[in-house]
Amino acid sequence: AQKVTQAQTEISVVEKEDVTLDCVYETRDTTYYLFWYKQPPSGELVFLIRRNSFDEQNEISGRYSWNFQKSTSSFNFTITASQVVDSAVYFCALRQTGANNLFFGTGTRLTVIP
Amino acid sequence: NAGVMQNPRHLVRRRGQEARLRCSPVKGHSHVYWYRQLPEEGLKFMVYLQKENIIDESGMPKERFSAEFPKEGPSILRIQQVVRGDSAAYFCASSPRAGRQLEKLFFGSGTQLSVL
Repeated sequence: AQKVTQAQTEISVVEKEDVTLDCVYETRDTTYYLFWYKQPPSGELVFLIRRNSFDEQNEISGRYSWNFQKSTSSFNFTITASQVVDSAVYFCALRQTGANNLFFGTGTRLTVIP
Repeated sequence: NAGVMQNPRHLVRRRGQEARLRCSPVKGHSHVYWYRQLPEEGLKFMVYLQKENIIDESGMPKERFSAEFPKEGPSILRIQQVVRGDSAAYFCASSPRAGRQLEKLFFGSGTQLSVL
C-alpha cells in the first residue's frame, strides 16, 4: 500500500516570506522515489525534483530546497523569499520500485500575496 | 522542442456522448501515461501505454473507458456514454524510458472535460 499526504490544502504568504510545504508518505518498499511537481494556473505540471530513497542528502536549487527525512517519512519543500510567480498548486508524488506510475498527493495551493 | 501536446484544451459533452482526448508525447518518447484530476484532488493514474501496447490499465474504469497509442499518431483516451461524474481534468504525460525505470514524467496542460 502507498499513500502520500499533503495536509496543507492552502497556504497564503506575503511576498518575500519563506514557506514550507509538507509531504508525508507511506510505503512498504525500501527503495522508492519521491517527486515534487508545480502546477501553475496554466495547468501544466512542471517537474521540480526527484529523490531516491537511499539518498537522504538535502538539496538546494536557487530559492528551492528539499528536506528528506526517512525516519519520519517526510519530504518537505521550502521556498525562500517567495515571489508572486511561485503561486501554484504543488504536488508531492511517490513511485514504488517496479511501479509503472507516480502516486500523487492531493496538492497544496500556495498563494503569494504581493 | 515541443512538450506534451494535448487537445482539445476544453471539451464539453452532453450525457451519453463520446469524448475523445488526444495526446502527442514529447518527440522521441514512446511511453505515455494518462491521469485524471478531480476537483480538489490529486492526479489519479489511469493507464500506461507503449507504442501499440497497453502495459498497465489498473487505474482505468472497467467500462466506457479505453485508451490506445498507435504506431503512428497521438495517444487517444476515449470515454463512451459520458456521465457527469466523468467531468475532470485529464492529463497526459510521457517519458523516454520504460515504466520500471521511470525517472520523471513530462506532462501536458491537460484537457478539461465538462459533461452537461
